[in-house]
Amino acid sequence: DTTVKQNPRYKLARVGKPVNLICSQTMNHDTMYWYQKKPNQAPKLLLFYYDKILNREADTFEKFQSSRPNNSFCSLYIGSAGLEYSAMYLCASSSRVANTEVFFGKGTRLTVV
Amino acid sequence: TQTVSQSDAHVTVFEGDSVELRCNYSYGGSIYLSWYIQHHGRGLQFLLKYYSGNPVVQGVNGFEAEFSKSDSSFHLRKASVHWSDSAVYFCAVSAGYQNFYFGKGTSLTVIP
Repeated sequence: DTTVKQNPRYKLARVGKPVNLICSQTMNHDTMYWYQKKPNQAPKLLLFYYDKILNREADTFEKFQSSRPNNSFCSLYIGSAGLEYSAMYLCASSSRVANTEVFFGKGTRLTVV
Repeated sequence: TQTVSQSDAHVTVFEGDSVELRCNYSYGGSIYLSWYIQHHGRGLQFLLKYYSGNPVVQGVNGFEAEFSKSDSSFHLRKASVHWSDSAVYFCAVSAGYQNFYFGKGTSLTVIP
């Protein structure tokens, strides 16, 4: 199974409320990523886990948190959603050791109102 | 930080035409370059990648890309497109094969 699964596909949240997005893969990939995609913009790398080590991009460091309780699962957490968080969130995974390409999920569309 | 530029937001061609989708990057070190395709309603899917060796790399469905260090480019080409090639194409660059940075994408429309 070479799929990356994301839940839910659509998420509606109120301003100021927390949001938790879930991602899973069963390819035993060592690296998992979260991207934010807005219309007509490039997918923006938010953070990635290499094994248990979290790497967050400098410009989104304080806005997003993540956890990876085991190799297969990775979550993206927004503590207090703002309107600007409305976007498609893409989870992806790859194996640095095996030098694979990056596999993407179908995304979770988050709408903050 | 690596940057990726895809100069054409939209490209429209007829079925059977050849097409080139442009990608330029800025980074001075050793990098991985790759192309991904996204059909409507689906996730990004890998097309091809380059790290070293032959600068022309072959991908799925007849796509190929050519790396040029002098031009800092990694353009994607196909000799004869099919209507099913209509999609958004993303170029990506990575240093160390972990931080993948993407361009804004080029929307390709193939008219049957």
